[in-house]
Amino acid sequence: QQQVKQSPQSLIVQKGGISIINCAYENTAFDYFPWYQQFPGKGPALLIAIRPDVSEKKEGRFTISFNKSAKQFSLHIMDSQPGDSATYFCAASIRGGGADGLTFGKGTHLIIQP
Amino acid sequence: DTEVTQTPKHLVMGMTNKKSLKCEQHMGHRAMYWYKQKAKKPPELMFVYSYEKLSINESVPSRFSPECPNSSLLNLHLHALQPEDSALYLCASSQVSQGRTEAFFGQGTRLTVV
Repeated sequence: QQQVKQSPQSLIVQKGGISIINCAYENTAFDYFPWYQQFPGKGPALLIAIRPDVSEKKEGRFTISFNKSAKQFSLHIMDSQPGDSATYFCAASIRGGGADGLTFGKGTHLIIQP
Repeated sequence: DTEVTQTPKHLVMGMTNKKSLKCEQHMGHRAMYWYKQKAKKPPELMFVYSYEKLSINESVPSRFSPECPNSSLLNLHLHALQPEDSALYLCASSQVSQGRTEAFFGQGTRLTVV
């Protein structure tokens, strides 16, 4: 059973446009939600993360929107650039001390067309 | 320094070989992880070490043997692998605390089993 569902699988956006990737989770124990960006042949790099006590977090062109009641969160990339072309993974983990690893969504392959 | 260093970057091994993957971090993180990533798929958690003790083993075959010699190092010993074990192997680290902090990934080791 996949615990974090991510959509769309692939996305093409024109340069300067807004890229939107959505994720939904089932496990209400999740309380940390990071987004990772991965370029081919590289490891995932943390982009931005949110905890459920806030509804939105913005860092530069990247914004996470979080809806706790709907158990959904999304990544918005404003003014998308060709250099943003990569695979994006949402993820979730559980607080409470200890290390438990991340549960990842299946990923979104984003292409920004010049 | 937010770097997780993995060596080697690429590894080709035969099914009867024994090899080791190495991971190092100097961020003072006391949780370290091994993930396996197949092409166009999200990372899959294999092992978690917390305070140098194995805390999670996600039903990984015994041909993969993790080791955490100290708080900065993590090894993955490989023996009698199968071609389907070919993948990108990622190491990650994070703090171990109730205030969940970011997990940082290395660049990975691209493993090919022939």
